[in-house]
Amino acid sequence: DSGVTQTPKHLITATGQRVTLRCSPRSGDLSVYWYQQSLDQGLQFLIQYYNGEERAKGNILERFSAQQFPDLHSELNLSSLELGDSALYFCASSPRTGLWEDTQYFGPGTRLTVL
Amino acid sequence: KNEVEQSPQNLTAQEGEFITINCSYSVGISALHWLQQHPGGGIVSLFMLSSGKKKHGRLIATINIQEKHSSLHITASHPRDSAVYICAVRAAGNKLTFGGGTRVLVKP
Repeated sequence: DSGVTQTPKHLITATGQRVTLRCSPRSGDLSVYWYQQSLDQGLQFLIQYYNGEERAKGNILERFSAQQFPDLHSELNLSSLELGDSALYFCASSPRTGLWEDTQYFGPGTRLTVL
Repeated sequence: KNEVEQSPQNLTAQEGEFITINCSYSVGISALHWLQQHPGGGIVSLFMLSSGKKKHGRLIATINIQEKHSSLHITASHPRDSAVYICAVRAAGNKLTFGGGTRVLVKP
């Protein structure tokens, strides 16, 4: 158990809908990362937050947004969903601010299926 | 050509065998990570390297910055090592790129 929690575990929704994925980092970690893993694209970095502020951006679509709250939990919002958004979404946390400066602790992931 | 290439894509070994997974990259990097993804989907960070060699238990990771190459070795492999191993590099401009993964199956 990494200490990172993600909810929900599974999510099934329809095209055009909006969903919110939630992540709670390990106790004491200030950085939260979001990743998407699909069968055709593999693992991709979406975005990093550190102590409430956006620190680095990867291949995040404009339809996707994220935020990190004062209690350090983070939410990833996916809107106008398309079939191609079906994927595993992972959250990870680490203590430091620099992008991948230290060990990442991954959550169990949320499996999103868009029908 | 992808910026990060892993080889082989798939590997089958007998329990006890020495396993090597390779990762080559084409950009200048500041760090390279090796990840392990279990059959159930969970991801564990194994190593972070910027130079030299690191060892943890039966796992050894090496990196050659000049040759833009890293290897992950598993000594005395065990069926519980069966997983997908992914390398990832952090390049200039905070760019993070993942390899396609190597699927390892260790048979008892």
